[in-house]
Amino acid sequence: EAGVTQSPTHLIKTRGQQATLRCSPISGHTSVYWYQQALGLGLQFLLWYDEGEERNRGNFPPRFSGRQFPNYSSELNVNALELEDSALYLCASRGQTGHSQETQYFGPGTRLLVL
Amino acid sequence: GQQLNQSPQSMFIQEGEDVSMNCTSSSIFNTWLWYKQEPGEGPVLLIALYKAGELTSNGRLTAQFGITRKDSFLNISASIPSDVGIYFCAGQWDGGTSYGKLTFGQGTILTVHP
Repeated sequence: EAGVTQSPTHLIKTRGQQATLRCSPISGHTSVYWYQQALGLGLQFLLWYDEGEERNRGNFPPRFSGRQFPNYSSELNVNALELEDSALYLCASRGQTGHSQETQYFGPGTRLLVL
Repeated sequence: GQQLNQSPQSMFIQEGEDVSMNCTSSSIFNTWLWYKQEPGEGPVLLIALYKAGELTSNGRLTAQFGITRKDSFLNISASIPSDVGIYFCAGQWDGGTSYGKLTFGQGTILTVHP
């Protein structure tokens, strides 16, 4: 069974540009989560999508946004990039919500570098 | 953002030694998870704990869900060089504004000397 996949693996942008990161969940998983892992810091929750809807949002500005498509894949968009947005962006997927024993499985991440 | 208090921050041990790390929180969780992350990769789930007091093993790894629901520990017995990596604890509370998200510890960097 294929795991969570993310693309691209690396992305280099300049300040003020927009970045688009993509994630495909494990087959059968309907929930997608996005986390930011900045250098030297732990993982910070960004966004959660389930059944095409945004269900929860972390403490990040509105220029971090995303969407989930009918096939449950997801896109994270970061507008007006700032230097401190440089980080590893991790996507995780989870099975049916409401089942407490469903845990999150992570993809390999997209490393974003803002110059 | 909120983080769990994970300790120690780093460990340097000899191959064959046992390792212990723990996480504490001011909030309760209904699930505790332990992940391992290697360079250039995403975190890989090691152990999931769903009930207060639960003790679960996965090979040389043993983890416990604290009875207060505010802490957890992970033990690794007889460490080997491939245990090297960053270990993260994570708490999950499926309720209120925390619904669906994981709250992570700062990580424990483990180095194993052959």
